[in-house]
Formats: sequence, structure tokens, C-alpha cells
Amino acid sequence: DGGITQSPKYLFRKEGQNVTLSCEQNLNHDAMYWYRQDPGQGLRLIYYSQIVNDFQKGDIAEGYSVSREKKESFPLTVTSAQKNPTAFYLCASKGTGIYNEQFFGPGTRLTVL
Amino acid sequence: KQEVTQIPAALSVPEGENLVLNCSFTDSAIYNLQWFRQDPGKGLTSLLLIQSSQREQTSGRLNASLDKSSGRSTLYIAASQPGDSATYLCAVAKRDTGNQFYFGTGTSLTVIP
Repeated sequence: DGGITQSPKYLFRKEGQNVTLSCEQNLNHDAMYWYRQDPGQGLRLIYYSQIVNDFQKGDIAEGYSVSREKKESFPLTVTSAQKNPTAFYLCASKGTGIYNEQFFGPGTRLTVL
Repeated sequence: KQEVTQIPAALSVPEGENLVLNCSFTDSAIYNLQWFRQDPGKGLTSLLLIQSSQREQTSGRLNASLDKSSGRSTLYIAASQPGDSATYLCAVAKRDTGNQFYFGTGTSLTVIP
């Protein structure tokens, strides 16, 4: 059953803590993405990776970090430097080739207490 | 930078009505345009992808068109059903950043039984 999984579904964090969101895909896709979605706003790109051991900053990378050690996995760490981390986080992947579709995971809702 | 706009932000129609959702983008140098559906609290589901060389794509009751020169795409939904109620988002991939997508803020559709 191919797809993208994200865990956990809900995450609560105290101020000053770092947290890591998991994203795994078994679609054999090279490219993976992290987006942030806030109410009434479109998706904003945090980081993306086109290949293992390589990633690029998106529009709102400050306060976030990523790694891409395996093709299947692209974890996102929300650090204490992120001033307003409460949001819905979406992971996506895309196959090689410019005309391929982007597929999304079910999302993680992060709430800072 | 690519700006993507979706109008209207919200739309309410009676069941059975045909409807059109609009998406406009500022930079016509795109690789493709993708339409998504998002249910509350969920990830995005891909509906249709139109390559830059194509004019339209169809899937069941959905038809998406693309006019690259004018920077516009429409999503036509025929014979709407209450199950079509969701937020619909469009995203474009620019030619100079082929693997990076830019999203609109979405149109929230309610189909009234």
C-alpha cells in the first residue's frame, strides 16, 4: 500500500522545546517537501529536498531544520527559535521529472502550550 | 516570485449545480498546474495535473483547463454533490524552480443538499 505517512497526528510542545515531525514515503520518490498551513492562508514551503543528502530552504525556513539521510525519510525539526510554531504541517513527495504530481501525507497538527 | 490567487474564497451552491473554481497566477513560465482537494484537518488529495503543453484534463465529473498566456486555470465540477464539499487548492510549478510548487489560498466549497 503505497503512500506517505506522517507522525504523530497531534503534537503538543512547551515553549522552548525542540520537536521532530516524522515523514516517510514508500513511493520511491526523489523529491520531498515540508509545508506549513495556517488558517486562511495557503501552503508555505519550509524546506524541500530533491535527492538524498541535499535540501534547500523554502520561503519560511527560519526556526526549522531538516535532514535527508534516506530516500524514504525527511524529518522536520521545529526548534525553539521558531517564534510561532502552532500550525498544521504537511509533508509531500514527487517523482523524478518535472511533470509528475505532488502527493501529500495526512499532516501533523502542532500546538505550542 | 510566483503569486497564485483563487477567487472566490468561499462558494455555496445547491446540489446538482455545475460550478467553476478559478485560479490565476502571475508568471506564465510554468511546468504544470495541479488541483487538489482538502477536507477539514486532512492532507491534500491530488485531483488533476495539467502539463504546460496541455489545455485541459478530465477525471470523472471534474474538468480542469489551463490558459498559460493569460495566467489562468479553471476547475469545472459537474452535477455537484454534498460529498464535493471541501477546500480546493491549485498549485503551479515554475520553470526556473521545477520542483518547487506555489499554492493559492483555496476556495472553500459547500454543496447544500
